[in-house]
Amino acid sequence: AQSVAQPEDQVNVAEGNPLTVKCTYSVSGNPYLFWYVQYPNRGLQFLLKYITGDNLVKGSYGFEAEFNKSQTSFHLKKPSALVSDSALYFCAVRDDTGFQKLVFGTGTRLLVSP
Amino acid sequence: GAGVSQSPSNKVTEKGKDVELRCDPISGHTALYWYRQSLGQGLEFLIYFQGNSAPDKSGLPSDRFSAERTGGSVSTLTIQRTQQEDSAVYLCASSSDTGGGNTIYFGEGSWLTVV
Repeated sequence: AQSVAQPEDQVNVAEGNPLTVKCTYSVSGNPYLFWYVQYPNRGLQFLLKYITGDNLVKGSYGFEAEFNKSQTSFHLKKPSALVSDSALYFCAVRDDTGFQKLVFGTGTRLLVSP
Repeated sequence: GAGVSQSPSNKVTEKGKDVELRCDPISGHTALYWYRQSLGQGLEFLIYFQGNSAPDKSGLPSDRFSAERTGGSVSTLTIQRTQQEDSAVYLCASSSDTGGGNTIYFGEGSWLTVV
């Protein structure tokens, strides 16, 4: 069965510093990996995804994520954090076998201080 | 429409009442999903529709929950005899088809409070 782990409930970073939000996954087949962001009282917004090809994926708002097959990880990164990046971030995975639902991690709250 | 549309955006109901939540997916999207997000929790899969195929209801938490999708477009999630533990945000999402790499787009959610 598919699963996603986000080991950190919260990540704190100062504005201007680089940020990393961690995600590891487990699937039976080949993974399709996604990051979503949720601002307060809003739905989920798609940030980026990995399907195949380059391990470094670039997405919205300057975010990027690196797929590492050997470590089964898909960490979200940004070179320079903004206060406006403060939100709840979800990693999600589905594989290329069977039913296509997305399985989500429990989310990581990112707090960027001025 | 431009995005996934959900209504109502907020609903307060009394324990024991039935509620209906509506989802209008992105035009042309054949796959539709319902997820539930409880306070402080992650996203819990409820049900999935794909075209004319039988829906996958494996995530529905009890027989008080049901969903239908009429004409392959609009979907309604019904919760009968609501309980306080049903209080959550109910998120609808859609995607263009079942390809694993297709992006799922979410609506703003229906915030349900059972008092």
